[in-house]
Amino acid sequence: SQQGEEDPQALSIQEGENATMNCSYKTSINNLQWYRQNSGRGLVHLILIRSNEREKHSGRLRVTLDTSKKSSSLLITASRAADTASYFCATARYYQTGANNLFFGTGTRLTVIP
Amino acid sequence: NAGVTQTPKFRVLKTGQSMTLLCAQDMNHEYMYWYRQDPGMGLRLIHYSVGEGTTAKGEVPDGYNVSRLKKQNFLLGLESAAPSQTSVYFCASSTWGNEQFFGPGTRLTVL
Repeated sequence: SQQGEEDPQALSIQEGENATMNCSYKTSINNLQWYRQNSGRGLVHLILIRSNEREKHSGRLRVTLDTSKKSSSLLITASRAADTASYFCATARYYQTGANNLFFGTGTRLTVIP
Repeated sequence: NAGVTQTPKFRVLKTGQSMTLLCAQDMNHEYMYWYRQDPGMGLRLIHYSVGEGTTAKGEVPDGYNVSRLKKQNFLLGLESAAPSQTSVYFCASSTWGNEQFFGPGTRLTVL
């Protein structure tokens, strides 16, 4: 399976601290994406990093990708209570049919304590 | 723009009943997807479509059928619901190679 696996499964931090989540995968990918899901809601896209990129930033988010180790990390700096959510990594692989399917991990549950 | 919408939001079925979940997107995306999310298992792809009139199987297609008669709509059907299909169902759409936009989900319980 090329499904990503997040680590840790759950993370609890104080507001203002940084949160780091890791993702490992097994096969070659075209890009890797991070999504956020608030309890009971749909997923929201956070950031996409392509296989030829090593680092990407978006606001308080920083994503790294190491294709040699088949791993990625998501760093959220200066966390806020509103960052409490589940975070998923998803690996993308393209098919000759034109498909662009994502394979999701099981997620990291982040709790930010005010 | 409404983005991706799903109908209904909640549904309870008895074993053997059938139903159709509707997904609609107003972003003119070619690609549409149906996922299911079970506790502790992340999202798994059921079926997907690379354009109007096309459908293809994902990771867990058994027990489901889909249709994409119009570009903006993607329907997921359960012909004979089973308790194992109790789950939260998400629809998503995208352009090629880019991020997917998700609907709010449908919570389905099969008794």
